Amino acid sequence: GAVVSQHPSWVICKSGTSVKIECRSLDFQATTMFWYRQFPKQSLMLMATSNEGSKATYEQGVEKDKFLINHASLTLSTLTVTSAHPEDSSFYICSASPLVNSRNEQFFGPGTRLTVL
Amino acid sequence: AQSVAQPEDQVNVAEGNPLTVKCTYSVSGNPYLFWYVQYPNRGLQFLLKYITGDNLVKGSYGFEAEFNKSQTSFHLKKPSALVSDSALYFCAVRDVPNTNAGKSTFGDGTTLTVKP
Repeated sequence: GAVVSQHPSWVICKSGTSVKIECRSLDFQATTMFWYRQFPKQSLMLMATSNEGSKATYEQGVEKDKFLINHASLTLSTLTVTSAHPEDSSFYICSASPLVNSRNEQFFGPGTRLTVL
Repeated sequence: AQSVAQPEDQVNVAEGNPLTVKCTYSVSGNPYLFWYVQYPNRGLQFLLKYITGDNLVKGSYGFEAEFNKSQTSFHLKKPSALVSDSALYFCAVRDVPNTNAGKSTFGDGTTLTVKP
């Protein structure tokens, strides 16, 4: 099946620094990638929809200037958490949909655990 | 607006017994329903989906789910549970079938524990 990777798998940073998380579709092209965050024992909350070559669409309540999304190619989307604070600590998961998606599938990355001290 | 409810935070079953994880949904148009499983500190793995066709959908690892339009439900089932099935399960609904256009809404998740 299609594989989506995330890097790094975990990161610890100091408050006030910025952290970049990469999401890559390894064996398929994805026009659309989704970014989610998940708090412990809670569901996935969609943060934004990332479209290749255009601006991301953010969900209500998600600060676009804090969570910068860049979808520069059909296989890579990045999420940058700017000026991170402890409340940004979470599990961030991306997913990608193939360019040709007749099976209506969405493939998830393994997630990135962010801890802000 | 679309929503998903998983009424049980936790389901406990003995190995070898049948299991059911419940899911109900609300969507304005046709529902496109999915089940995913998540192991600790991992991303989501696709189990099965309902788009159209037979109401009983068979998926990975012996799981199946039945779409019930009148009850707006899509319960996940397995005839004989394994200890390795212990994980967090999410039901999701999408309002349009093509993932490139539709957004998924996830339930809160149900923790399944299968005891030996």
